[in-house]
Amino acid sequence: EVQLVESGGGLVQPGGSLRLSCAVSGITFSSYSMNWVRQAPGKGLEWISYISSSSSTIYYADSVKGRFTISRDNAKSSLYLQMNTLRDEDTAVYYCARVHRAAADPWGQGTLVTVSS
Amino acid sequence: EIVLTQSPGTLSLSPGERATLSCRASQSVSDSYLAWYQQKPGQAPRLLIYGASSRATGIPDRFSGSGSGTDFTLTISRLEPEDFAVYYCQQYGSSPPWTFGQGTKVEIK
Repeated sequence: EVQLVESGGGLVQPGGSLRLSCAVSGITFSSYSMNWVRQAPGKGLEWISYISSSSSTIYYADSVKGRFTISRDNAKSSLYLQMNTLRDEDTAVYYCARVHRAAADPWGQGTLVTVSS
Repeated sequence: EIVLTQSPGTLSLSPGERATLSCRASQSVSDSYLAWYQQKPGQAPRLLIYGASSRATGIPDRFSGSGSGTDFTLTISRLEPEDFAVYYCQQYGSSPPWTFGQGTKVEIK
């Protein structure tokens, strides 16, 4: 069974930093591209970042470009999201998801990031 | 950026009825890279349909997807109690951002 488990969320002040992790099991992690997707409270889904299996291709949404950095460690079957210069509007549940058949499947359970003073 | 517009915003139906959800793209979605997800309160989204019309593993056959180009449809042939949820479409075109629609809530009438 494929499992994705996010961690690292919490309360952070505006301008602060946080690093999210996503531990993946049940698949050959190094074979798959990965995404980060977020969902603000009561709102819809927003794709924010993509990384290819070898880390050779990386994309970001404009809303996080220059502030967030996606990375992965294939030896540890882990995905990361370094979030800097956090803003109130970054408050959301952050999900990691495998890219499979040109879709996101499966998703982790999410980790809540709250940016507030 | 491709904008996806879902309609209606809310669909009020009874168990056993047919649900038809629409997802319209602002420009053509390449190779029908259009996916549908279901999300229940407090849960992560779950993939239902990929490639516009292929059911994901374990998804019941009452769920079907159709469409191409800019117009896509998710149909639930007979609503079961567990199908009342929010549904999102997402396009996975040739270049990012890979946008989602705003969602359609299917609620019990």
